[in-house]
Amino acid sequence: DAGVIQSPRHEVTEMGQEVTLRCKPISGHDYLFWYRQTMMRGLELLIYFNNNVPIDDSGMPEDRFSAKMPNASFSTLKIQPSEPRDSAVYFCASSYPGVGNTIYFGEGSWLTVV
Amino acid sequence: KNEVEQSPQNLTAQEGEFITINCSYSVGISALHWLQQHPGGGIVSLFMLSSGKKKHGRLIATINIQEKHSSLHITASHPRDSAVYICAVGRSRNSGGGADGLTFGKGTHLIIQP
Repeated sequence: DAGVIQSPRHEVTEMGQEVTLRCKPISGHDYLFWYRQTMMRGLELLIYFNNNVPIDDSGMPEDRFSAKMPNASFSTLKIQPSEPRDSAVYFCASSYPGVGNTIYFGEGSWLTVV
Repeated sequence: KNEVEQSPQNLTAQEGEFITINCSYSVGISALHWLQQHPGGGIVSLFMLSSGKKKHGRLIATINIQEKHSSLHITASHPRDSAVYICAVGRSRNSGGGADGLTFGKGTHLIIQP
């Protein structure tokens, strides 16, 4: 399997623009997670899905952030409008069915908002 | 106080030394994960523990549920072990089973000098 695939790998955008990050989980994994990593706060959970249904979105910073999972093989994280403080690495991860199983991370999307 | 505390924050050692990284947590967990992040940014899951001890090559991870403490050991350390090691816990709030989003420690930046 190709692993968790994220796109774009790098994006530089201007403040106020809409940003869409994409993720393809590993086939057969029914959990999908979006995490954000910054120097100040480290890694943080934003939202996760089980069988395409959002389970916990308490980490989503504010209404400017939204995430969808229209099917088992695709998820998006959208920021609209983007702000400089959104600059971070956004990781998508997926895991096997079951309790606390191994988690597989994508390579991350490096976002810079100027 | 963070829910997941790691120590040390930074560690520099000579090749061949035995390395120990510690993790303490303050919440009920379903599982504890040790992750490795290399300078390129990718995150790899090393271990997922819910009890006892696991070994993979030169890496050993232990967990003491009663003391809410885990350790990651590296035997015969090598410069290629240089990376950030991150402890993360899955919260035991999902009584129906299934995975949880992770809560992360700040990471331990390990440098192994030749």
